[in-house]
Amino acid sequence: GAGVSQSPRYKVAKRGQDVALRCDPISGHVSLFWYQQALGQGPEFLTYFQNEAQLDKSGLPSDRFFAERPEGSVSTLKIQRTQQEDSAVYLCASRLGTSGHYEQYFGPGTRLTVT
Amino acid sequence: RKEVEQDPGPFNVPEGATVAFNCTYSNSASQSFFWYRQDCRKEPKLLMSVYSSGNEDGRFTAQLNRASQYISLLIRDSKLSDSATYLCVVNSDAGNMLTFGGGTRLMVKP
Repeated sequence: GAGVSQSPRYKVAKRGQDVALRCDPISGHVSLFWYQQALGQGPEFLTYFQNEAQLDKSGLPSDRFFAERPEGSVSTLKIQRTQQEDSAVYLCASRLGTSGHYEQYFGPGTRLTVT
Repeated sequence: RKEVEQDPGPFNVPEGATVAFNCTYSNSASQSFFWYRQDCRKEPKLLMSVYSSGNEDGRFTAQLNRASQYISLLIRDSKLSDSATYLCVVNSDAGNMLTFGGGTRLMVKP
């Protein structure tokens, strides 16, 4: 079946622009996560949704970052007034259930470059 | 200090070699442990879960030592296709976010 998809795959933004990154999770997956992966580093947690509820946003680096999942399916990560340090790959993952024992399936990521 | 620490490598090994990666984690309340594999410019994919009793999947063996907060991955009879970055991953006690190490890069040479 279809896996997690993300769009766009690549995004170049000028510093100060706003960007919106989309994630389509696996159908029926309750849990959705966003991670940020800088070059040469492991992914770092940004935020977690259970259905439409954002239960954890402790990893969002600043108030310029905002995520939503209004109908409990597709999610959007928005970054306002982008800065060069926002350049990274943004990974979305979904999980069937709410338990940590379920596998998280990752999308291909959106590579954001801020110039 | 990072919550999950790994030697970044790279580990350069010949085909057929046995190679071991180690990882330490700092959160003693962590509940679940995994090794993920990430190919260049691709997303991470689950390689295997890690259990206290140790577990094996073909050429791959994973071990967990809760007392020492230490996780290992052993790859036997390395293949060229094993070349990738191996990420040590811990699930928080809340069971939600995954905490990743920085990854260990493996390069298997002919």
